[in-house]
Amino acid sequence: KNEVEQSPQNLTAQEGEFITINCSYSVGISALHWLQQHPGGGIVSLFMLSSGKKKHGRLIATINIQEKHSSLHITASHPRDSAVYICAYLTGNQFYFGTGTSLTVIP
Amino acid sequence: NAGVTQTPKFQVLKTGQSMTLQCAQDMNHNSMYWYRQDPGMGLRLIYYSASEGTTDKGEVPNGYNVSRLNKREFSLRLESAAPSQTSVYFCASRGWGAPEAFFGQGTRLTVV
Repeated sequence: KNEVEQSPQNLTAQEGEFITINCSYSVGISALHWLQQHPGGGIVSLFMLSSGKKKHGRLIATINIQEKHSSLHITASHPRDSAVYICAYLTGNQFYFGTGTSLTVIP
Repeated sequence: NAGVTQTPKFQVLKTGQSMTLQCAQDMNHNSMYWYRQDPGMGLRLIYYSASEGTTDKGEVPNGYNVSRLNKREFSLRLESAAPSQTSVYFCASRGWGAPEAFFGQGTRLTVV
């Protein structure tokens, strides 16, 4: 059973648009991860956050631990942002992953 | 710093053939993982190793075996490949008590 839900599954945006990807989970966690996977590429970690907000360039991640919800925002989106974005958390020795949001940014 | 290295990057197998996917990390991590990634399914855990000398089944272990050869290396073996094992395979590692995993570049396997 996948305990991490992401929405939307697919997203197409015009270059420059503001993008939001949502992640909801069902158990209490101490931290949530956002990962990025470019087409045909590996998986890299973007953020790990336990509370509030983190920003890295045009990417902003927020989390509400009490509501079990996190969002990833991309400001001024660019075609190079086209990738799959995955949220995940660690419990014990195992990670639980969302199914990913596939983002395509059109020039 | 290489991080997590997987070999090969691409492989085509015929049904019934065997192969071993190799994974090595140079970060002195205790935990290592093998996942498969399929469209619409996300990452699913095949096997993991919490430390050298131990391995445990994950969500989808059938058809696979693993070996934690030493602290650095964790290999995944397909004894008799099936088309259902066509997937992208990722190895990951994590340091003791650390919340973050580091992933390899993936192995894209096609079984025909």
